[in-house]
Amino acid sequence: DADVTQTPRNRITKTGKRIMLECSQTKGHDRMYWYRQDPGLGLRLIYYSFDVKDINKGEISDGYSVSRQAQAKFSLSLESAIPNQTALYFCATSAGGQPQHFGDGTRLSIL
Amino acid sequence: RKEVEQDPGPFNVPEGATVAFNCTYSNSASQSFFWYRQDCRKEPKLLMSVYSSGNEDGRFTAQLNRASQYISLLIRDSKLSDSATYLCVVNIYNDYKLSFGAGTTVTVRA
Repeated sequence: DADVTQTPRNRITKTGKRIMLECSQTKGHDRMYWYRQDPGLGLRLIYYSFDVKDINKGEISDGYSVSRQAQAKFSLSLESAIPNQTALYFCATSAGGQPQHFGDGTRLSIL
Repeated sequence: RKEVEQDPGPFNVPEGATVAFNCTYSNSASQSFFWYRQDCRKEPKLLMSVYSSGNEDGRFTAQLNRASQYISLLIRDSKLSDSATYLCVVNIYNDYKLSFGAGTTVTVRA
């Protein structure tokens, strides 16, 4: 089983819908992150969390929200999806300042 | 100016060749540096950290030049399986904030 699991792997939905992407990890890491990747751009940080009670905005948090339900779970929500949120989304984890480990990604298409 | 810039390539090389490419970063306060590998439509995976004195991991050699603010990756004896996009990643505050380059694509042909 993967150490960092994202669900769903693929999702197609319509503009205005609420969507939740989920991430769970078995690595025991305290830090979790959500990124999006668009063609020709580097990964961009949406939100990050250092602990269950700690939530921080990244560089592109507008239109997104997150919930850290447990140390092992970090979900990303799009309250009202719009087409320019079509992207590849990655969850990542790390222990302290160590390199981050990524989940398999969620390919999200918003029509 | 982007925080991390990479030549997108692609670098097309034959098997057995050596290929090298650089990445520049804008923030002189950057603390740590990494190369990640990303296969098409897959997650990035850590290839290697980059240390101040330079370091090797098998056929891969990474160098850091703080004065000129760039890091490099050299791949010797290229294999078909080295075909991927290589992401340059810079940690500015040695904490959480990773800045990613858009990647350099390498294609190794038989």
